[in-house]
Amino acid sequence: GAGVSQTPSNKVTEKGKYVELRCDPISGHTALYWYRQSLGQGPEFLIYFQGTGAADDSGLPNDRFFAVRPEGSVSTLKIQRTERGDSAVYLCASSLTEGGSGYTFGSGTRLTVV
Amino acid sequence: GQQLNQSPQSMFIQEGEDVSMNCTSSSIFNTWLWYKQDPGEGPVLLIALYKAGELTSNGRLTAQFGITRKDSFLNISASIPSDVGIYFCAGTGAGSYQLTFGKGTKLSVIP
Repeated sequence: GAGVSQTPSNKVTEKGKYVELRCDPISGHTALYWYRQSLGQGPEFLIYFQGTGAADDSGLPNDRFFAVRPEGSVSTLKIQRTERGDSAVYLCASSLTEGGSGYTFGSGTRLTVV
Repeated sequence: GQQLNQSPQSMFIQEGEDVSMNCTSSSIFNTWLWYKQDPGEGPVLLIALYKAGELTSNGRLTAQFGITRKDSFLNISASIPSDVGIYFCAGTGAGSYQLTFGKGTKLSVIP
């Protein structure tokens, strides 16, 4: 597609449940990033993929969070045993090469944990 | 970690007025970026700055990369209703791809 696609756009889940958030980057973009944006804040870095491998997962808050990109295109962010504090907008971005100015962000998935 | 202080947090202005917002950092950045985010959307890049002292324009928008590499400002001239949104500054350190964002400036334009 023309832009970065994220699904679902909204997700409401109960505390303790498992969720998966999907990101479909721009075709041909090898770099893919996940950010989390809490209410009233700017986005915060979670993880960066170059191709299929997670080049930097230093922003993942704890081991309940995990992300994969098995074929170097679509990525899935997985959250286990969700907590209310996980509620946020999860943004995905992709770029042709590594670098901040080349990012294109998706519209995000708004996750609400009740 | 790196932190960006963005001000003001919010602004209410009359249509046609000029707007100025700025960002300061506790550490040096190699790239400064300004984004606009509309409700329910991801941030969209407005201007990218790569060198200290650089002044760049994009239509009615002008941004500068501070000489100290620890600050940047964004000006919007002759504001219009569609300028409404949240503006974020962001930066990257040397050799880094991670964006560090400010908390945003919420702009409201009164017709």
